[in-house]
Amino acid sequence: DVKVTQSSRYLVKRTGEKVFLECVQDMDHENMFWYRQDPGLGLRLIYFSYDVKMKEKGDIPEGYSVSREKKERFSLILESASTNQTSMYLCASRPSGADTQYFGPGTRLTVL
Amino acid sequence: GEDVEQSLFLSVREGDSSVINCTYTDSSSTYLYWYKQEPGAGLQLLTYIFSNMDMKQDQRLTVLLNKKDKHLSLRIADTQTGDSAIYFCAEIKGGKLIFGQGTELSVKP
Repeated sequence: DVKVTQSSRYLVKRTGEKVFLECVQDMDHENMFWYRQDPGLGLRLIYFSYDVKMKEKGDIPEGYSVSREKKERFSLILESASTNQTSMYLCASRPSGADTQYFGPGTRLTVL
Repeated sequence: GEDVEQSLFLSVREGDSSVINCTYTDSSSTYLYWYKQEPGAGLQLLTYIFSNMDMKQDQRLTVLLNKKDKHLSLRIADTQTGDSAIYFCAEIKGGKLIFGQGTELSVKP
């Protein structure tokens, strides 16, 4: 079974704080993704990575950065959190040559 | 989610069939997916259909694909309260998954 884990289920931060969201997958997948999910908007892709140290912007990268130092770990960074980044953040991974993505349980981030 | 459209809510009674509809835009998408998100949880792959198929059945789930109209549907037979969740359809576009807004299915006893 593929397992994608995220470091926190719930997180509360203050405006201006630096926030790290961690995602780890145990299936040696090359591709990893960060989405945010908001009511009525579905999932929107923030960033993705297709290899270690490689990253690509998704549809809404503004205000975010990512880090992929090891194959199994993909971090999402909010350099200076703002209230409009309050959302559910979902991480996913996918092996090369396949289309199916496997999702983590999500981190619900609240920025006060 | 502007490329993939779903209605936001559906309410059914326990034991009835549920039909969740989706329209997509990329006719070259090789697979189309249905994901399920239970309250407070991440997304779980429910089923998928290869683009050269019209229908796929998996126990209580039936997926219908109309490529001409770019319309995808998910039918859940004998809907149970445990089926209450948000259902997302998704297409592959440029190697990325594009999701609809999600349909919240509410099952009333």
